[in-house]
Amino acid sequence: DGGITQSPKYLFRKEGQNVTLSCEQNLNHDAMYWYRQDPGQGLRLIYYSQIVNDFQKGDIAEGYSVSREKKESFPLTVTSAQKNPTAFYLCASTPLPTNYGYTFGSGTRLTVV
Amino acid sequence: AQSVTQLDSHVSVSEGTPVLLRCNYSSSYSPSLFWYVQHPNKGLQLLLKYTSAATLVKGINGFEAEFKKSETSFHLTKPSAHMSDAAEYFCVVSEAGGYQKVTFGIGTKLQVIP
Repeated sequence: DGGITQSPKYLFRKEGQNVTLSCEQNLNHDAMYWYRQDPGQGLRLIYYSQIVNDFQKGDIAEGYSVSREKKESFPLTVTSAQKNPTAFYLCASTPLPTNYGYTFGSGTRLTVV
Repeated sequence: AQSVTQLDSHVSVSEGTPVLLRCNYSSSYSPSLFWYVQHPNKGLQLLLKYTSAATLVKGINGFEAEFKKSETSFHLTKPSAHMSDAAEYFCVVSEAGGYQKVTFGIGTKLQVIP
C-alpha cells in the first residue's frame, strides 16, 4: 500500500544532541513537508521541498535542517540549536499542485530528557 | 494574507446527535479548503476538500461541509455522531499560486458522550 512512513514513533534526545527523524513516501509525490505540532497551536511549518535537492524554510526553521537527496525521502534533523524541541513532528506529502490535499505520516513524538 | 479561525476549541455532543464544527477563513484569492481529522498520537487524515467545484462537499465517515463565500465559512457537519468520531479536527486553507501557502487552524476537539 502507498503511504508515508515516519520513524521512529518515539524518540528521546539528551540536551545538546542532534537527532534525525525519518520520513519516506512511496506515493511518487513531488512535494514533502515537515510540521511541528504543539498543544493548542495547530501545525506549524518547519521546512518544505517541492523537488529533489531543493528545499525552503517554513515559519519555524531555526534549529532544524533537512535534505532531499531522493524524491522518496525527506529527513529532518533537530539540532542542539533548537531550544524547545519537545513536540509531535508530522511529515506530509502531496502531488503538485497542492490543492489535492496532504497525505500525512503517523508522526514522531520527540522528548528531551 | 490568509488565515483560518476555528471558532470552538472544544465541542461536546451526545452519541446520535448532530455535529457542527465551525470554521471561518480569510483569503485574498479563491481558496482551497480542507478538513482533517486526527486521532490521539496519529497523523492527520483528510476528511474532505473544497476546490471550487460544488459548494456542498461530502467526505468520508458521513461528514460534509458547505463553502459559503458570502460568510467566509466552511463549517463541518455530521447528522449523527458516533463514538469513533471523538478526535481533533483541523480546518485548513490553501491559496493557489507559487508555493501554495497552507494555513492550519488550531483545531477543535470533539468529545462524544455515550
